Amino acid sequence: NAGVTQTPKFQVLKTGQSMTLQCAQDMNHEYMSWYRQDPGMGLRLIHYSVGAGITDQGEVPNGYNVSRSTTEDFPLRLLSAAPSQTSVYFCASSYSAARGITDTQYFGPGTRLTVL
Amino acid sequence: RKEVEQDPGPFNVPEGATVAFNCTYSNSASQSFFWYRQDCRKEPKLLMSVYSSGNEDGRFTAQLNRASQYISLLIRDSKLSDSATYLCVVTPNSGNTPLVFGKGTRLSVIA
Repeated sequence: NAGVTQTPKFQVLKTGQSMTLQCAQDMNHEYMSWYRQDPGMGLRLIHYSVGAGITDQGEVPNGYNVSRSTTEDFPLRLLSAAPSQTSVYFCASSYSAARGITDTQYFGPGTRLTVL
Repeated sequence: RKEVEQDPGPFNVPEGATVAFNCTYSNSASQSFFWYRQDCRKEPKLLMSVYSSGNEDGRFTAQLNRASQYISLLIRDSKLSDSATYLCVVTPNSGNTPLVFGKGTRLSVIA
């Protein structure tokens, strides 16, 4: 298994540009989520999904959209990039939403995004 | 009071030392507790779950104190490879409530 994969690893955008961060997992996990990590702020939840077709907002959803059309993929879209979105973005997944979000979270390697 | 609070450190300890981290949580209904480890510029990885009765994994011991609403992580005989940031993680309620991560405690083990 590849686990959780994220692309790209690095990205530089100009203010106002849009882009999609890709996340995929091959473990048949129901639960997937996106976090951003900034110095001194820890991990903050952006959006999450408990299964295909179901998404919900986390702590910091503004400026981001998600969709979950398949179990495997959970892309994160930046609608109009702003310098405040400069961060490291982590995608994570875990096995069972039915058991609650108590299973081990598996994280992807992260995408380092800079918005100029 | 923040949901999950940790001392950010850094904790600088010599090899072989014993070091302990605490983490407090505000929601008394919290159900599940974990310690994750994050190496510099890497993704977090599960270190261990924390059970009510306490649990041990080699040099690592995790304990939960529900009355005082804190969890702890004890590392014995510290190794250079233990240098990392340790994240306290709490599930506020049962069901599909997302995890809440602490900001992490940075540990540097020095030769």
